[in-house]
Amino acid sequence: GENVEQHPSTLSVQEGDSAVIKCTYSDSASNYFPWYKQELGKRPQLIIDIRSNVGEKKDQRIAVTLNKTAKHFSLHITETQPEDSAVYFCAARDFGGYQKVTFGTGTKLQVIP
Amino acid sequence: GAVVSQHPSRVICKSGTSVKIECRSLDFQATTMFWYRQFPKQSLMLMATSNEGSKATYEQGVEKDKFLINHASLTLSTLTVTSAHPEDSSFYICSARVVSTNEKLFFGSGTQLSVL
Repeated sequence: GENVEQHPSTLSVQEGDSAVIKCTYSDSASNYFPWYKQELGKRPQLIIDIRSNVGEKKDQRIAVTLNKTAKHFSLHITETQPEDSAVYFCAARDFGGYQKVTFGTGTKLQVIP
Repeated sequence: GAVVSQHPSRVICKSGTSVKIECRSLDFQATTMFWYRQFPKQSLMLMATSNEGSKATYEQGVEKDKFLINHASLTLSTLTVTSAHPEDSSFYICSARVVSTNEKLFFGSGTQLSVL
């Protein structure tokens, strides 16, 4: 099955700086890669996603890049704000069957005011 | 985005009792729902895939007789933790995929289960 690795596990940045979270996946057939933000005790919220036929996608301060050859994708947050502090999960979706979504191990982002 | 409702949000029960958790898609039909378990400061681990009108598909290592899943309609899936034990204490969260987009996964608000 799919295996998703995520780094770093914790990340502290100064307000206004950029944050980068990296993930790798194992199944070359995976074709959809969402990113979720989860605040303590809350549900994960989809913040951005990318399909395998696209190399980059941007939504305001958030961008995601995908390198299918290397099976690597990254989340970039620019001009970070304290409200960006949360746990971020990357995920990869299987191509076949029920199209299960496998999550990375999570990155706790702390934005220091 | 699509709304997924999950109840209860928190439940405390005695060891040996059963607990039912409901997951509803409020404004869309979900032929497939997923049940995840999350331990503190850890990732979401897929437990099973719930399919409307058929048996659930369980992940390796998940006891199907302990975690009963019923997907009775296109908007409702239930997870019943049978004969709960303290080690079953965890955050359980459901999700549903919006068929029209065929991709985006939306989550319920989660259920914090504490077994005494």
